[in-house]
Amino acid sequence: DADVTQTPRNRITKTGKRIMLECSQTKGHDRMYWYRQDPGLGLRLIYYSFDVKDINKGEISDGYSVSRQAQAKFSLSLESAIPNQTALYFCATSDHRGTYNEQFFGPGTRLTVL
Amino acid sequence: AQKVTQAQTEISVVEKEDVTLDCVYETRDTTYYLFWYKQPPSGELVFLIRRNSFDEQNEISGRYSWNFQKSTSSFNFTITASQVVDSAVYFCALRATYSGAGSYQLTFGKGTKLSVIP
Repeated sequence: DADVTQTPRNRITKTGKRIMLECSQTKGHDRMYWYRQDPGLGLRLIYYSFDVKDINKGEISDGYSVSRQAQAKFSLSLESAIPNQTALYFCATSDHRGTYNEQFFGPGTRLTVL
Repeated sequence: AQKVTQAQTEISVVEKEDVTLDCVYETRDTTYYLFWYKQPPSGELVFLIRRNSFDEQNEISGRYSWNFQKSTSSFNFTITASQVVDSAVYFCALRATYSGAGSYQLTFGKGTKLSVIP
């Protein structure tokens, strides 16, 4: 089984709808992240969480919210989806105990907002 | 502020050719970490390698090798004898270590799309 899972893997929704993307991990990592990827722009950080009680905004948090329900679960919500939120969304995890703190990514969720 | 530049947007090579993907970074920190990730057509992001700013020793892993040069702020990635399965988008990323929560953020380059033609 994959260490970092994301659901759904693909989603098509309409403008104005609320949508939640979920991320779960079995790596035992304390830190979790949400990124979006747009063609030609690389990955940009939306939100990150260092533990259940710690949530931080990233580079592009407007229009998004998150919830860290448990150490292993980190959800991303779009309260009122708009077409320019169409993108590939990645969840990632890392372990603060590691020197490098490298991040391990889930398989991605492809979101289309019509 | 930190920045990662991958100037090559797309590269095409014929199978068995060698190819080098360039990565140039900017940071004010003396301690930092560099990473390469691979994104195959299936879309997932696969961690390839990590390097810290105090370790300039080059690394080789099979057909892959990495050249880290602090003097030119570069961390280039070479694939020897390329294969069709190497076709992917490759991302270089930087993590600085300045104090505060932001020290664990990764700054990604925009990626280089490599196409290996049979």
